[in-house]
Amino acid sequence: DTGVSQDPRHKITKRGQNVTFRCDPISEHNRLYWYRQTLGQGPEFLTYFQNEAQLEKSRLLSDRFSAERPKGSFSTLEIQRTEQGDSAMYLCASRRSGENTEAFFGQGTRLTVV
Amino acid sequence: DQQVKQNSPSLSVQEGRISILNCDYTNSMFDYFLWYKKYPAEGPTFLISISSIKDKNEDGRFTVFLNKSAKHLSLHIVPSQPGDSAVYFCAAMEKLTFGTGTRLTIIP
Repeated sequence: DTGVSQDPRHKITKRGQNVTFRCDPISEHNRLYWYRQTLGQGPEFLTYFQNEAQLEKSRLLSDRFSAERPKGSFSTLEIQRTEQGDSAMYLCASRRSGENTEAFFGQGTRLTVV
Repeated sequence: DQQVKQNSPSLSVQEGRISILNCDYTNSMFDYFLWYKKYPAEGPTFLISISSIKDKNEDGRFTVFLNKSAKHLSLHIVPSQPGDSAVYFCAAMEKLTFGTGTRLTIIP
């Protein structure tokens, strides 16, 4: 399978714990995006990378969230000191840079903070 | 500030008829638009896109129309099939700004 892969698919954690999610993009895609989706809402932009450079980070993203893409391939999203409000689906997408190229999504990681 | 809006949260259409999903945007700098389909507990699946230099793009049963002066786009699905029942999102580049989605239900 050469699509976008996310791991884990589901994560249940206790409030206050740290969690880390991984995203493996389509191999030739140099742009990688993270989104968060809650019930009844569209995916909300969190951050994106071109290769290993983080180009933009949403103002909505608190300092408990950090993302990396150290070698320009896979990316990780870490949430420190999780809160119940962090419960959501976290989605990763990748695309080729340049104009008018589609982004393809992974299956998402469902986070539940209890 | 919601830059991409889908004002109809839900739509029901009889099987075989046309489904029309609408989307409005406010940022005139948006130049590339995409439609995604999403099933519960899965990531969005790309359906069709359109560049701002076009006013129509067609792919099988799916056609997207873009009216730049009205900052409006629509997705037409014809004929509608039960497997089309899902939530549909429109999105605009650069960083994929999404609308809130429309839940489409196809009635057999």
